[in-house]
Amino acid sequence: EDQVTQSPEALRLQEGESSSLNCSYTVSGLRGLFWYRQDPGKGPEFLFTLYSAGEEKEKERLKATLTKKESFLHITAPKPEDSATYLCAVLRTDKLIFGTGTRLQVFP
Amino acid sequence: KAGVTQTPRYLIKTRGQQVTLSCSPISGHRSVSWYQQTPGQGLQFLFEYFSETQRNKGNFPGRFSGRQFSNSRSEMNVSTLELGDSALYLCASNDGGSYGYTFGSGTRLTVV
Repeated sequence: EDQVTQSPEALRLQEGESSSLNCSYTVSGLRGLFWYRQDPGKGPEFLFTLYSAGEEKEKERLKATLTKKESFLHITAPKPEDSATYLCAVLRTDKLIFGTGTRLQVFP
Repeated sequence: KAGVTQTPRYLIKTRGQQVTLSCSPISGHRSVSWYQQTPGQGLQFLFEYFSETQRNKGNFPGRFSGRQFSNSRSEMNVSTLELGDSALYLCASNDGGSYGYTFGSGTRLTVV
């Protein structure tokens, strides 16, 4: 069965304290892995798409990496405005299968 | 470039009623997908339309239906509403090529 698991469920960081979020998946026919950021009451905001193992993408303080079984979202020196829920999703036959997200809180 | 527009933003309905939600995709995008988001289940795929044809459907009862018009705008309908249908309903549009899915802000449906 297709499954996407994110850990941890919640993460509290001090401003400037770097960390990583994990997304592991068991999906046949993977066509891409997506990372989204979601703020309360809003729709998910696209961050990255990764297509093959070994691929890496960066945007400001965020860096996403992909292996054959999992993806990591590294957050370097986070700021309070990085507080949000981060969602991972895999694309399979024209539908996105989402994990349940990691709720990140960054304190000044 | 305008984003994905969903209307209405909030909706309160009574059990047994039906509801129609609307989604206007990014101009030029022909694929529209619908998702239900609840605290317990997260984001669950409902269905996907491309050029007015349903290409894919999730595991939801037949009370959930949708359609897409020739201008790519899509509507989702839920009949005989149940309390468990309370959720944030999200629409995503895609250009069919780069696999970038852009989401709208959603419609918050509350069934009382």
